[in-house]
Amino acid sequence: GENVEQHPSTLSVQEGDSAVIKCTYSDSASNYFPWYKQELGKRPQLIIDIRSNVGEKKDQRIAVTLNKTAKHFSLHITETQPEDSAVYFCAASHGSARQLTFGSGTQLTVLP
Amino acid sequence: DTGVSQDPRHKITKRGQNVTFRCDPISEHNRLYWYRQTLGQGPEFLTYFQNEAQLEKSRLLSDRFSAERPKGSFSTLEIQRTEQGDSAMYLCASSLGVSSSSYEQYFGPGTRLTVT
Repeated sequence: GENVEQHPSTLSVQEGDSAVIKCTYSDSASNYFPWYKQELGKRPQLIIDIRSNVGEKKDQRIAVTLNKTAKHFSLHITETQPEDSAVYFCAASHGSARQLTFGSGTQLTVLP
Repeated sequence: DTGVSQDPRHKITKRGQNVTFRCDPISEHNRLYWYRQTLGQGPEFLTYFQNEAQLEKSRLLSDRFSAERPKGSFSTLEIQRTEQGDSAMYLCASSLGVSSSSYEQYFGPGTRLTVT
């Protein structure tokens, strides 16, 4: 089955700096890669996603890049703000069920 | 609130008891997923429905776990003879699922189960 690895597990940045979280996946048939933000005690919230036919996607301060050959994708957050502090999960979707296999999460802390 | 809802939000039960959780998806979504999330981990896929049909259930953790979606709207997840290892957050997600463009899954707030 699919396996998604996520690094780093914790990341601290100064407010205004950029943050990068990286994921690798194992199943070359995976074709959809969402990123979720989860604040403590709250539901995972979809913040950005990318399909396998696209190499990069941006939405304001957030961008995701995908390298299908290397089977890795990354989340980039620019001009970080304290409210960006949360756990971020990457995931890969595969199969007719389009079920998601998640990474283990990255605790991002933005220091004021 | 037009998002995914789950009930109850918290459940404390004694080992050996049965519990049932409910999920109401976004109204026009015909795909419904159940995931389990333990502390410090990402959600883990359990099962999913396309309308009322349960099309994937091999990932249910044991035969003590079962799920239904009888009318293709809300779904229930039941755990029989609960064990302490079942303590976790149980998340429901829904998706449009009607076309190849409908990949986005939207999560509910979850039901936190504590087995004592």
